[in-house]
Amino acid sequence: GAGVSQSPSNKVTEKGKDVELRCDPISGHTALYWYRQSLGQGLEFLIYFQGNSAPDKSGLPSDRFSAERTGGSVSTLTIQRTQQEDSAVYLCASSLQVSGETQYFGPGTRLLVL
Amino acid sequence: QKEVEQNSGPLSVPEGAIASLNCTYSDRGSQSFFWYRQYSGKSPELIMFIYSNGDKEDGRFTAQLNKASQYVSLLIRDSQPSDSATYLCAVIPSGGSNYKLTFGKGTLLTVNP
Repeated sequence: GAGVSQSPSNKVTEKGKDVELRCDPISGHTALYWYRQSLGQGLEFLIYFQGNSAPDKSGLPSDRFSAERTGGSVSTLTIQRTQQEDSAVYLCASSLQVSGETQYFGPGTRLLVL
Repeated sequence: QKEVEQNSGPLSVPEGAIASLNCTYSDRGSQSFFWYRQYSGKSPELIMFIYSNGDKEDGRFTAQLNKASQYVSLLIRDSQPSDSATYLCAVIPSGGSNYKLTFGKGTLLTVNP
């Protein structure tokens, strides 16, 4: 079946602009995760959604970052007033349920802030 | 802070050899352990997961877990040039957040023809 999809695949923006990144999880997966991978760094957890529960936003690096998940499916990660240090690959993953289930990653969005 | 440590490499092995990738973790209560492969410019792809002490084999891959020593390893037998990639170790730590994968920075493996 179809895997996790993300769009856009690449995004170049100017410092100070807002960007929206989209994630479409695997059908039937109730858990959705956002990670960030910066050059030379490991993957960094950003935010987690599970069903209708309140999201775990503990990994968001600043209040410029926000995310929502509508209808328990598609998620949007928004970065306001982008900074150069926001340049990274933003990866979305989904899993069937929580509690240690395997997470499947999308292809990522490469964000470059000039 | 709960950490996952990997040797960044590069680890270079000849084609046909066994590649051994190691990972240590700081949270003794961790329960779930994953190995992901990431080709350059691509997203991580699950190779194996292991929950119990001992060995778990899947084709040319064997994951080994030793909770007492807090390490998990991945062995790749009959290494192929197509195995050349960065291998990420990931752990779900103990505690209420049993969904947050904590990743190591990865080990770059190069298999030479």
